[in-house]
Amino acid sequence: AQSVSQHNHHVILSEAASLELGCNYSYGGTVNLFWYVQYPGQHLQLLLKYFSGDPLVKGIKGFEAEFIKSKFSFNLRKPSVQWSDTAEYFCAVSPITSGTYKYIFGTGTRLKVLA
Amino acid sequence: NAGVMQNPRHLVRRRGQEARLRCSPMKGHSHVYWYRQLPEEGLKFMVYLQKENIIDESGMPKERFSAEFPKEGPSILRIQQVVRGDSAAYFCASSPFALDGSTDTQYFGPGTRLTVL
Repeated sequence: AQSVSQHNHHVILSEAASLELGCNYSYGGTVNLFWYVQYPGQHLQLLLKYFSGDPLVKGIKGFEAEFIKSKFSFNLRKPSVQWSDTAEYFCAVSPITSGTYKYIFGTGTRLKVLA
Repeated sequence: NAGVMQNPRHLVRRRGQEARLRCSPMKGHSHVYWYRQLPEEGLKFMVYLQKENIIDESGMPKERFSAEFPKEGPSILRIQQVVRGDSAAYFCASSPFALDGSTDTQYFGPGTRLTVL
């Protein structure tokens, strides 16, 4: 069955620390990949996405992610986090299957950044 | 441009009642998706609709749940005879249709939190 794993459920960092959140998926075919963020009390917002091309994609607010096809991974990174990055982060995979565009989500990672 | 709208934001129902959740997609979007998030879990796909058509309902429970996206008006997710296990956050997303692949970028609403007493 198709699945997405986010291994870190809770992460606590101090401001200015570097961040890397893991995301692995199980699907042998072509996929589109996404990271969404949910700030406290708000709805999911798109951080970045990968469809094709350069496997290193840049998103909003200084986030980037690297698609490594051989590892089925799409890890999210930020060189220096801020207190305002405190949020829940979701990785999502969309298998390219004719007729449907459903997403498969990971369970999310709750990031807390200490000021 | 208004985002995806969902209402109500919070809904309380007693066991056996019906719950109706509404979703208005972003302007110009013709694709609607419903997801359910149980406590401490990720979002799980339920159903994908286009105007007047259900395209993929592989994630919908076989009983009590139904969805529609009429020609006019919002998409509705309907849960009949609710049970405590239906308590969850229900998110709606929408996407446009475009040949450049942007169909596959979903924009999410704020969710409806359903509590079944």
